[in-house]
Amino acid sequence: GAGVSQSPRYKVAKRGQDVALRCDPISGHVSLFWYQQALGQGPEFLTYFQNEAQLDKSGLPSDRFFAERPEGSVSTLKIQRTQQEDSAVYLCASSRRQGASRYEITGELFFGEGSRLTVL
Amino acid sequence: GQQVMQIPQYQHVQEGEDFTTYCNSSTTLSNIQWYKQRPGGHPVFLIQLVKSGEVKKQKRLTFQFGEAKKNSSLHITATQTTDVGTYFCAGLDSNYQLIWGAGTKLIIKP
Repeated sequence: GAGVSQSPRYKVAKRGQDVALRCDPISGHVSLFWYQQALGQGPEFLTYFQNEAQLDKSGLPSDRFFAERPEGSVSTLKIQRTQQEDSAVYLCASSRRQGASRYEITGELFFGEGSRLTVL
Repeated sequence: GQQVMQIPQYQHVQEGEDFTTYCNSSTTLSNIQWYKQRPGGHPVFLIQLVKSGEVKKQKRLTFQFGEAKKNSSLHITATQTTDVGTYFCAGLDSNYQLIWGAGTKLIIKP
C-alpha cells in the first residue's frame, strides 16, 4: 500500500477486555515498530520486528502485551485484560532499511495514523 | 537508562518569529532523526543527521548535530501557521535503540 495502515483507528474497551490492533506496513519494509503514545508525550518504544523475528520486546509494559508478525508483513499487537492505564494511541511504524548489524536501525520511520485505545 | 532530553516543552511565538528546539543526550548517538507531529496526527520524518557537526537545511528549517554527537537542534526561521505541531528528536544509541525526546510543541500566538 501507499502508507502504513492501522486498524481500528479508535477502540473503546471495557476494563478486562482483550483487544487486538493491526498494522499493515509498507510493502517490502523489513523493520516494524510498535510505540505507545500517551497524550502530550513522545512515542514510547514497545517492540521491534525485523521481518518475522521479534528482536526486541523490552518496551512491552507487562505480560498482558503481546505482538506478532508471523509472515513478516502484517503485525498484530494484542493487549489482554485491558486496564485504564493502557489508554493511549498505539503507533506502528515501518522502515525499509536494516543496518549493518541485525539490530541496527537506520533510515526514516514511516508511521501509521495510530489506533487510539480508550479503556473505561 | 539512556535519555534524550528535549527543551523547551512548549514555545509560544508570534507568526514570523523564529523557533528553536534542543535535544541533549547523556551519551554519544550514532545518528539523530527529527519528526513533526501535527495536532491529531502521527509523526512524520523530517531529516536524519549522521556526521559530527553536520548542518542540514530544508527551506526555513535548519538542523544541527553537535561535534560530540550528543546534542542537536532544530531552528525554524520566520514561523508560519503551517509550522504548528510538536517536533520530536529521536537518537540512535549504542544499543541501536531509537530514544525519543519528549517533544517541543510550537504554538503560534493569535
